[in-house]
Amino acid sequence: DTAVSQTPKYLVTQMGNDKSIKCEQNLGHDTMYWYKQDSKKFLKIMFSYNNKELIINETVPNRFSPKSPDKAHLNLHINSLELGDSAVYFCASSQSAGGGETQYFGPGTRLLVL
Amino acid sequence: TQLLEQSPQFLSIQEGENLTVYCNSSSVFSSLQWYRQEPGEGPVLLVTVVTGGEVKKLKRLTFQFGDARKDSSLHITAAQPGDTGLYLCAGGRGDYKLSFGAGTTVTVRA
Repeated sequence: DTAVSQTPKYLVTQMGNDKSIKCEQNLGHDTMYWYKQDSKKFLKIMFSYNNKELIINETVPNRFSPKSPDKAHLNLHINSLELGDSAVYFCASSQSAGGGETQYFGPGTRLLVL
Repeated sequence: TQLLEQSPQFLSIQEGENLTVYCNSSSVFSSLQWYRQEPGEGPVLLVTVVTGGEVKKLKRLTFQFGDARKDSSLHITAAQPGDTGLYLCAGGRGDYKLSFGAGTTVTVRA
């Protein structure tokens, strides 16, 4: 009964490939997020969806495209992968979109681009 | 530019010692959260503070929100190896976003 799940947990791929990461939450939350955590452990917000609507779109290359088919799912597709995309990507969810809401994180997807 | 600066970046102490982690900003936050992240896992919320001057205790952990709501501290008393992890502060300003600090890696040696 995992609250926020992500697949895959590990992803190793070649430069130039296209890959997707999937996220699902079973908490009934309205808001979902994608974060990137770099090698220095800094967590940076990438995107956020509230009720399937994009509400945060930080300065992220347009090779990254989020998709929210429903409130419980938020997927991240990455085109033309680059070496600098190597990082841990975390999905999170919160009850609503207020900035002070508790966020529940998934276990992360470790992406390594060779 | 990070809104929240955490210090120290790394902290290694012996079991039983006390430690304090600081989270500072020049910005005012409506709320401040502390998360702990263990290796291979996502961050997990420890506490949320919302009132300037607020102090919250969670067993051996004491969290304080500054009077001006620009800074916070986390104090651990009699640290144990199970306290080892990455401690992250995160501030909310009511604009949908939570801004995270760069984290403090705490290692408690048995």
